[in-house]
Amino acid sequence: DAKTTQPPSMDCAEGRAANLPCNHSTISGNEYVYWYRQIHSQGPQYIIHGLKNNETNEMASLIITEDRKSSTLILPHATLRDTAVYYCIASYSGNTPLVFGKGTRLSVIA
Amino acid sequence: DVKVTQSSRYLVKRTGEKVFLECVQDMDHENMFWYRQDPGLGLRLIYFSYDVKMKEKGDIPEGYSVSREKKERFSLILESASTNQTSMYLCASSLFSRLAGIGTDTQYFGPGTRLTVL
Repeated sequence: DAKTTQPPSMDCAEGRAANLPCNHSTISGNEYVYWYRQIHSQGPQYIIHGLKNNETNEMASLIITEDRKSSTLILPHATLRDTAVYYCIASYSGNTPLVFGKGTRLSVIA
Repeated sequence: DVKVTQSSRYLVKRTGEKVFLECVQDMDHENMFWYRQDPGLGLRLIYFSYDVKMKEKGDIPEGYSVSREKKERFSLILESASTNQTSMYLCASSLFSRLAGIGTDTQYFGPGTRLTVL
């Protein structure tokens, strides 16, 4: 699986968009980009995933660059409850288990 | 909604005890996983299973075994608990069928069991 690189921490003001970057420069053509988050003392929660096209669901949007070497997770209107560790993972679908790195600790500030 | 449940949220055991951690999923998922999570080390895969009675070692299987007798249930066993197994244990499941080549690897996690071994 391709290695991903994320900043260790970020802050975001409540109500503003949170943009979380992820670099995956060695990603191969059929590896998906997955995003999860983990709120303190809970199990990780799936957010979104994509292959090439940008994706949006009720939680977030995923923007993948055309060369697929990086992506950005966007939480459009961050709330205090979005404070969590966010994990970006690149993986072949169904081939090997997902490998979680250290993620980005997002703090949403009132 | 997918539901993954774990038998206990908190568990305290003594060194040398045999410990069973149970995980049940209600969505007929093919794959199930056990991770442990420790501060500064992130999530580490212990074992996973992609079918009933099948198991594969993850990154840190030493000191653990697993059992999957039914599709919905995946048990993690600590044969003789030690203090270095004090950790948060997380179970997950996903739908991808390796045989059929369909589904997605999206993993759904349980709430976790915080195990303390004294």
